[in-house]
Amino acid sequence: EPEVTQTPSHQVTQMGQEVILRCVPISNHLYFYWYRQILGQKVEFLVSFYNNEISEKSEIFDDQFSVERPDGSNFTLKIRSTKLEDSAMYFCASSEEGVAYEQYFGPGTRLTVT
Amino acid sequence: AQSVTQLGSHVSVSEGALVLLRCNYSSSVPPYLFWYVQYPNQGLQLLLKYTSAATLVKGINGFEAEFKKSETSFHLTKPSAHMSDAAEYFCAPLYSSASKIIFGSGTRLSIRP
Repeated sequence: EPEVTQTPSHQVTQMGQEVILRCVPISNHLYFYWYRQILGQKVEFLVSFYNNEISEKSEIFDDQFSVERPDGSNFTLKIRSTKLEDSAMYFCASSEEGVAYEQYFGPGTRLTVT
Repeated sequence: AQSVTQLGSHVSVSEGALVLLRCNYSSSVPPYLFWYVQYPNQGLQLLLKYTSAATLVKGINGFEAEFKKSETSFHLTKPSAHMSDAAEYFCAPLYSSASKIIFGSGTRLSIRP
């Protein structure tokens, strides 16, 4: 069964450093998403991406964040200058098309900022 | 405002007992609704989804949920709990006006032997 994959599974970085989290969505999916879950809290939407542009973003997704689909398979989330409060589990998701289709989630990348 | 409420951050039941996890959404337009499960240190797995085809939805692992528009509820049930059901469960509406899923705060289900 096709699945969303994410790398790395765990990333440790120092405050102020740039990180890139990588995702490979399911191949025939057209919509891509990033969510995050701070330890002990609920899952929060960050951004959705369709047709090579951001379709929606939350207030969390400020200028420090960016997303890109550099090729036909990868979808990346970049944090330019990490803060301690960026420590969280980051989930990538993809859906086939349309808002009624379920989003398939990857296993997540745990980001630890020290 | 579009929101979702999960009553009970922690539910504990005995093995073999009925599982009932509550979810209420707020909206004048019924959204699409999902239940996701998160096992310890793992990602989010779709349990079941409601997309207006049928009000009683059956999912994986014996779970089902009933959409009740009059009560704006989408409670998750399982007739007989199993130890392997211990996990965090998230109710998650997806509104047609937006592409994002709004996650509830989650309910941690514990199963007593």
